[in-house]
Amino acid sequence: KQEVTQIPAALSVPEGENLVLNCSFTDSAIYNLQWFRQDPGKGLTSLLLIQSSQREQTSGRLNASLDKSSGRSTLYIAASQPGDSATYLCAVLIYSGAGSYQLTFGKGTKLSVIP
Amino acid sequence: GAVVSQHPSWVICKSGTSVKIECRSLDFQATTMFWYRQFPKQSLMLMATSNEGSKATYEQGVEKDKFLINHASLTLSTLTVTSAHPEDSSFYICSARFLGAGGTTDTQYFGPGTRLTVL
Repeated sequence: KQEVTQIPAALSVPEGENLVLNCSFTDSAIYNLQWFRQDPGKGLTSLLLIQSSQREQTSGRLNASLDKSSGRSTLYIAASQPGDSATYLCAVLIYSGAGSYQLTFGKGTKLSVIP
Repeated sequence: GAVVSQHPSWVICKSGTSVKIECRSLDFQATTMFWYRQFPKQSLMLMATSNEGSKATYEQGVEKDKFLINHASLTLSTLTVTSAHPEDSSFYICSARFLGAGGTTDTQYFGPGTRLTVL
């Protein structure tokens, strides 16, 4: 059974700092890995998607890396801003055959960026 | 931890038929549920926000007459794909918003997903 772990559970940083969020998964046979942002009471916002054949993706101040062999992904946020405060979730998608998929989420990292 | 179920887990239907997918929060009440869909090689995308007792809020580009959402009770939301076509084939996943006592906890629990294949 796939398990996804995110460390730390919560993180507080001063504005302007660069930071790294970690995600690890137990089964390396993933289809893809996704990073999401969750604001209270809102649906998930997709940030970055890394296919299993890729090693990283970048979007603006965000960079996500994937190391399938070690079962790890990191989300790097450069020059953090108060507006980045949210919970960040990673999720891995496994294709289990016959058209069936399974998506497993981590519990998230709650980020607070202090002005 | 809180559990969210979806039914069915996998459905195959003919083009032109309608398919209903259920999302249930098994051990907590959820005034808000969310529906997502994912195409292969693409990210999970929010379709709509389902609110108990009121109309769902759809994201831009999502046809509300095509994807009917009914939040019938505090533990059940349904997504009906009407007049399904092969391009509707996708992985649909729901989540339920859990609010802890005193508002100290605000998180979402995800269902296992439903794989829809339209022939």
